[in-house]
Amino acid sequence: GAVVSQHPSWVICKSGTSVKIECRSLDFQATTMFWYRQFPKQSLMLMATSNEGSKATYEQGVEKDKFLINHASLTLSTLTVTSAHPEDSSFYICSARPGSTGELFFGEGSRLTVL
Amino acid sequence: AQTVTQSQPEMSVQEAETVTLSCTYDTSESDYYLFWYKQPPSRQMILVIRQEAYKQQNATENRFSVNFQKAAKSFSLKISDSQLGDAAMYFCAYGSWGKLQFGAGTQVVVTP
Repeated sequence: GAVVSQHPSWVICKSGTSVKIECRSLDFQATTMFWYRQFPKQSLMLMATSNEGSKATYEQGVEKDKFLINHASLTLSTLTVTSAHPEDSSFYICSARPGSTGELFFGEGSRLTVL
Repeated sequence: AQTVTQSQPEMSVQEAETVTLSCTYDTSESDYYLFWYKQPPSRQMILVIRQEAYKQQNATENRFSVNFQKAAKSFSLKISDSQLGDAAMYFCAYGSWGKLQFGAGTQVVVTP
């Protein structure tokens, strides 16, 4: 099956710094990728849709200046959490799909802890 | 707006027995997909089963099957012959054009 990889799998940073998380589709090209956020013992919430070569589409309530998304190639999308604060600590998961099928493949997730 | 509701926070089942997880959703669209995902402690999301809304036949994958009632907007998951490895959080999800809306999840506990 298709593989989606995230890096890093976990990161700890100080409050006020920025953190970048990468999402790669390893064996297929993805014009669209999706970023989700999951708080402990809660469901996944869609943050934004990452579009290759154009601006990301953010869900209502998600700060686009806080969560910068770049989709510079057909296999890579990055999420940068800017000026991170402890409340940004969460599990971030990306997903991507090959072609126009309905199935999404998920990355392993990245756990962010902001001290 | 679409919403997905899972009313069972936790379900317990004995090995080899059957458990059914409920899911209801709300949408005004006619073309969409429904999914059940499994999230074990590793947090990796694993697709269990997928149902296209235009298909009347219920999807089946080995020990996993769904009961899809489109008019009632219901999409339950049945796990037959439960195994210890089935223990995980299960999320029902609704999708259209790749974006998924997830339910709150049901924790499945499998007892020997």
